[in-house]
Amino acid sequence: KAGVTQTPRYLIKTRGQQVTLSCSPISGHRSVSWYQQTPGQGLQFLFEYFSETQRNKGNFPGRFSGRQFSNSRSEMNVSTLELGDSALYLCASSLAMVGDGTIYFGEGSWLTVV
Amino acid sequence: GENVEQHPSTLSVQEGDSAVIKCTYSDSASNYFPWYKQELGKRPQLIIDIRSNVGEKKDQRIAVTLNKTAKHFSLHITETQPEDSAVYFCAASGGSNYKLTFGKGTLLTVNP
Repeated sequence: KAGVTQTPRYLIKTRGQQVTLSCSPISGHRSVSWYQQTPGQGLQFLFEYFSETQRNKGNFPGRFSGRQFSNSRSEMNVSTLELGDSALYLCASSLAMVGDGTIYFGEGSWLTVV
Repeated sequence: GENVEQHPSTLSVQEGDSAVIKCTYSDSASNYFPWYKQELGKRPQLIIDIRSNVGEKKDQRIAVTLNKTAKHFSLHITETQPEDSAVYFCAASGGSNYKLTFGKGTLLTVNP
């Protein structure tokens, strides 16, 4: 069974640009959640989608958005990039909603903003 | 919202010793507490989890204990090995929302 797949793995963007990251969950998983990992702040929850609906959102500005498609694949978008957005963005999937079952992480997308 | 505090931030032990990492949470309604291990450059992986209706859970050399009254839970690793060296994250979720809130992580170093 294939794991959680994230693309792209590495990318460099310039301040002010926008970026879209993609996540393909494990087959059959309906929940996708996104996290930002930085050395100073650790793992911070961005949002969770379950059956195409955003169920919860972390404390991030509106520049961070996401969506989930009918096949459970998810994308997250960051607009007007800032230097502080440089981080590892992790996607995780689970059969049930976050908190109800194990979540499995992808390898992450390393974003560098210059 | 939920707040999870994790201690210590770094922990160095000799091979064969035990290691204990502690976490406290703020939302008394939280009911799911997973622990993740993240090796350098790799994804976090679940190593053990516990639900609020259980006080202790063991899996070979790893155990987790939960004290709901005090709102804290701990990870215990016995007979540590160099391959246990990694960053360990605790997390909590449930209650009024289902988002997973992580502790800041503990860098465990096992010296051979």
